[in-house]
Amino acid sequence: DTAVSQTPKYLVTQMGNDKSIKCEQNLGHDTMYWYKQDSKKFLKIMFSYNNKELIINETVPNRFSPKSPDKAHLNLHINSLELGDSAVYFCASSQVGQGRETQYFGPGTRLLVL
Amino acid sequence: DQQVKQNSPSLSVQEGRISILNCDYTNSMFDYFLWYKKYPAEGPTFLISISSIKDKNEDGRFTVFLNKSAKHLSLHIVPSQPGDSAVYFCAARTGANNLFFGTGTRLTVIP
Repeated sequence: DTAVSQTPKYLVTQMGNDKSIKCEQNLGHDTMYWYKQDSKKFLKIMFSYNNKELIINETVPNRFSPKSPDKAHLNLHINSLELGDSAVYFCASSQVGQGRETQYFGPGTRLLVL
Repeated sequence: DQQVKQNSPSLSVQEGRISILNCDYTNSMFDYFLWYKKYPAEGPTFLISISSIKDKNEDGRFTVFLNKSAKHLSLHIVPSQPGDSAVYFCAARTGANNLFFGTGTRLTVIP
């Protein structure tokens, strides 16, 4: 059973388009995250959501908007895609408050903007 | 500003020998450190962690050492196995805050 899943796995699109990446976790965790891994392999937090509330919003462009319809889902919507948005996007989840929790990652979505 | 650094992008080790992966950090407020392992086309998977109140944590073939004064931690894998070949990410955080990741070290274990 997949704990954290993302769709699509690959996404190729044109500059200026709007796209969404979906993430679902079946671990019952209360916090979900989006990370971006750029061409230099640097894995950086973009957003985290706790119980449907955005708790930390890193300085990413406002073209990126996380949407959480429920505790098990955190989707990432990107408007007006730019070349520099090409990267691998990872979703993760964790259960905050149970001691030193770890984050469980999805397989990643490889976005290529042409 | 990269607060967690892995200066060796790659490491090759013979099967059965010890693999030592290094990580340095700059934020003295970090109090929890983790190592993640990543295979191609998969997300990072938690491997082992250590609290700042400890200097060593061991789990089977994997041991993490923390040197707070040097702001340095290392992951030892012994004996190394071909299945250990992956990218290893070091991560750190303060309290319940977000994780800061290094850029990873690609380990290749040669049979």
